[in-house]
Amino acid sequence: AQKITQTQPGMFVQEKEAVTLDCTYDTSDPSYGLFWYKQPSSGEMIFLIYQGSYDQQNATEGRYSLNFQKARKSANLVISASQLGDSAMYFCAMRGSNDYKLSFGAGTTVTVRA
Amino acid sequence: EAGVAQSPRYKIIEKRQSVAFWCNPISGHATLYWYQQILGQGPKLLIQFQNNGVVDDSQLPKDRFSAERLKGVDSTLKIQPAKLEDSAVYLCASSLKGADTQYFGPGTRLTVL
Repeated sequence: AQKITQTQPGMFVQEKEAVTLDCTYDTSDPSYGLFWYKQPSSGEMIFLIYQGSYDQQNATEGRYSLNFQKARKSANLVISASQLGDSAMYFCAMRGSNDYKLSFGAGTTVTVRA
Repeated sequence: EAGVAQSPRYKIIEKRQSVAFWCNPISGHATLYWYQQILGQGPKLLIQFQNNGVVDDSQLPKDRFSAERLKGVDSTLKIQPAKLEDSAVYLCASSLKGADTQYFGPGTRLTVL
């Protein structure tokens, strides 16, 4: 079974600063994928970034980067230069190699202050 | 490229009534997913289709929920009869094939009174 843990229910960040969202996971699958999604108040889940378990380098997508520490089973999301539009719920998710469903964490709410 | 479309966006019904949700995936995406997201939680998979065949429906409450994907494109999810605990956002997602990134629609927010 796969389990995703997000321990930060809510975070505040000042505009233009960086914020790190924590995500730890548990799986016995040797091959897996880790995802981060953003969910604004409108409800849509927006794909942000992906990291494969065998990828040697940490994934980056614009202002988003994933700090992948395989031995510690963590996949933290870093948002640099925060903008007001970054205020949303952020979900960490995992996909195994045997099935393709995503297992989600409980999410972290980010509020960016001007 | 058009994203995943869902309708309706909002629905309010009374318990024991029936309701249906519609999803149109991204063009060419073979895999379609329905997730249920209860307030304050992450989404949970209800059912996964590969083309028009069911791959995983282990978490679908089959006594009241049903889903179909005719012709391997559009999909409908039905609840009959609805219970209070079915109040949630129902998200549809699609991927090019099973192992690819899933892209989500805007969701349908269901309130059961």
